[in-house]
Amino acid sequence: AQTVTQSQPEMSVQEAETVTLSCTYDTSESDYYLFWYKQPPSRQMILVIRQEAYKQQNATENRFSVNFQKAAKSFSLKISDSQLGDAAMYFCAFAGGSNYKLTFGKGTLLTVNP
Amino acid sequence: DSGVTQTPKHLITATGQRVTLRCSPRSGDLSVYWYQQSLDQGLQFLIQYYNGEERAKGNILERFSAQQFPDLHSELNLSSLELGDSALYFCASSYSGRANEQYFGPGTRLTVT
Repeated sequence: AQTVTQSQPEMSVQEAETVTLSCTYDTSESDYYLFWYKQPPSRQMILVIRQEAYKQQNATENRFSVNFQKAAKSFSLKISDSQLGDAAMYFCAFAGGSNYKLTFGKGTLLTVNP
Repeated sequence: DSGVTQTPKHLITATGQRVTLRCSPRSGDLSVYWYQQSLDQGLQFLIQYYNGEERAKGNILERFSAQQFPDLHSELNLSSLELGDSALYFCASSYSGRANEQYFGPGTRLTVT
């Protein structure tokens, strides 16, 4: 079974600064995908970024980028030039195996200070 | 807007009752996933359907059941409701049963009193 661990229950960052959210996972699968989802106060789950395990290049989406360390089973999210709208709960998720259901971590609550 | 719709947005009901949650996937998506989000259990996978057939089951109680119809919308049926079933229920859809991105609906907040 897969497990996803987010060791930081809460993080804070100043507006315009950079913050990194940590995620580690455990799996015996060789073919899998990793995701970061954002859940603002509206409770909507919003896909932020995705990484295929077979790709060595780290994914980037505008101000969001990941540091994927496959051997260490680590998948951190870097948010650059943080904005007030980035304040949310961030979930790391793993998808792999026979049905690619998402296994989520417990989340990191990010606060952005003006 | 993800393109996934869920109804109703909120549902308040009493213990022992039965409710049905409905989900319409994004146009073209064949796979539907149901997830439960609660304070104590976090986000948990319940069940997956692909093109009308059950593909996988997760931590879904026997009191819960689901189906996907020919038009690809899905329903999650919760019966003999207990206080602990109070949660936010999400539906997500993807094109295939593989790891194409899953796009989430806005959720149905269920409160059991």
